Amino acid sequence: GAVVSQHPSRVICKSGTSVKIECRSLDFQATTMFWYRQFPKKSLMLMATSNEGSKATYEQGVEKDKFLINHASLTLSTLTVTSAHPEDSSFYICSAQQEEYEKLFFGSGTQLSVL
Amino acid sequence: AQSVTQPDIHITVSEGASLELRCNYSYGATPYLFWYVQSPGQGLQLLLKYFSGDTLVQGIKGFEAEFKRSQSSFNLRKPSVHWSDAAEYFCAVAPGPYKLIFGSGTRLLVRP
Repeated sequence: GAVVSQHPSRVICKSGTSVKIECRSLDFQATTMFWYRQFPKKSLMLMATSNEGSKATYEQGVEKDKFLINHASLTLSTLTVTSAHPEDSSFYICSAQQEEYEKLFFGSGTQLSVL
Repeated sequence: AQSVTQPDIHITVSEGASLELRCNYSYGATPYLFWYVQSPGQGLQLLLKYFSGDTLVQGIKGFEAEFKRSQSSFNLRKPSVHWSDAAEYFCAVAPGPYKLIFGSGTRLLVRP
């Protein structure tokens, strides 16, 4: 089946630095990608919808200047957490959608820990 | 506003026993409904989905779910649980294109 690769799987950084997370669709073109944030023992919260070649659409309450999303190609979307702080520590998951809901695939997630 | 409720934070069943995970949604019309499974530190895998038609849907790994409009429910079932089924299960609703709203999840523990 289709695969979505997310990298890195785990990252530890110092407070104030920026971290980039990549999400790649390996065997299909994803016109739309999504970024979710998952807190411990909590549900996944949609952060933003990323469309190839256009600006991302952010959900209410998500700081677009802190969470920069770039969807430069049909197979790659990146999430950059700028000036990370300990409260940004979380599990971030991307998903890529081809055309229909049955073709929505999730990456394996990135555990971000900000010291 | 649309919402999804999974009332059970965790459930423990014995291997070989049957399983039912509850999911209730709040939405004005018939939404798209999904069940996903997440293993520790992993992404999500689609178990099954309901768009329309037959209200009993079959998924992978022997799972099934039944959409009951009158109860606004989409409960997940499996007749015989295997130890490998231990994971976190998420119900999700998509009221419109491309936007999944997830429940808070139910952690399944399987006793040997």
